[in-house]
Amino acid sequence: SQELEQSPQSLIVQEGKNLTINCTSSKTLYGLYWYKQKYGEGLIFLMMLQKGGEEKSHEKITAKLDEKKQQSSLHITASQPSHAGIYLCGADILSETGANNLFFGTGTRLTVIP
Amino acid sequence: ETGVTQTPRHLVMGMTNKKSLKCEQHLGHNAMYWYKQSAKKPLELMFVYNFKEQTENNSVPSRFSPECPNSSHLFLHLHTLQPEDSALYLCASSLRQAVWETQYFGPGTRLLVL
Repeated sequence: SQELEQSPQSLIVQEGKNLTINCTSSKTLYGLYWYKQKYGEGLIFLMMLQKGGEEKSHEKITAKLDEKKQQSSLHITASQPSHAGIYLCGADILSETGANNLFFGTGTRLTVIP
Repeated sequence: ETGVTQTPRHLVMGMTNKKSLKCEQHLGHNAMYWYKQSAKKPLELMFVYNFKEQTENNSVPSRFSPECPNSSHLFLHLHTLQPEDSALYLCASSLRQAVWETQYFGPGTRLLVL
């Protein structure tokens, strides 16, 4: 079963529009990470949330973790072509071995039309 | 630049070949990870090394063999791979394997098995 569900799977927006990407877990999250990936490249760390209700911003990107720590949203204000890419959420979830591992969603592909 | 480098960036190999992927981190981290990213699937954790000790083997076939000679270097030795092993292989590192420790990723090696 999928540990993390991301929605939408893909998103096409006009430059200047706002958008939101969601990440939902069926389990309580210890930490929630947002990464951005250009096609075929590595992941670039955006921000990490660890407390319920926490909100962080970086330039025009804001991420929130809900109070119950099972859902996070990523919001981009006034989108630009440079925001295009694949956004991935990752979550600290304890594995069967008891070790902490990072599980990822399937990603949201964002296209920004100039 | 994330401080994590991977070589080669692209690799084409036949099913009978032996090749190795290399990862190096310049961040002073003690945990290193191998992930596999296939089309339309979440990132799959393959192996984890924490302070040079392997702590996770996520049911990876024996045709993939990791090696971590020191905290800065990680290798993935490939032998008699299958076409379904074609994917983007990503290396990551973190200060240690624990919750709230951000993982930083390399650019990946795009592998094609013929």
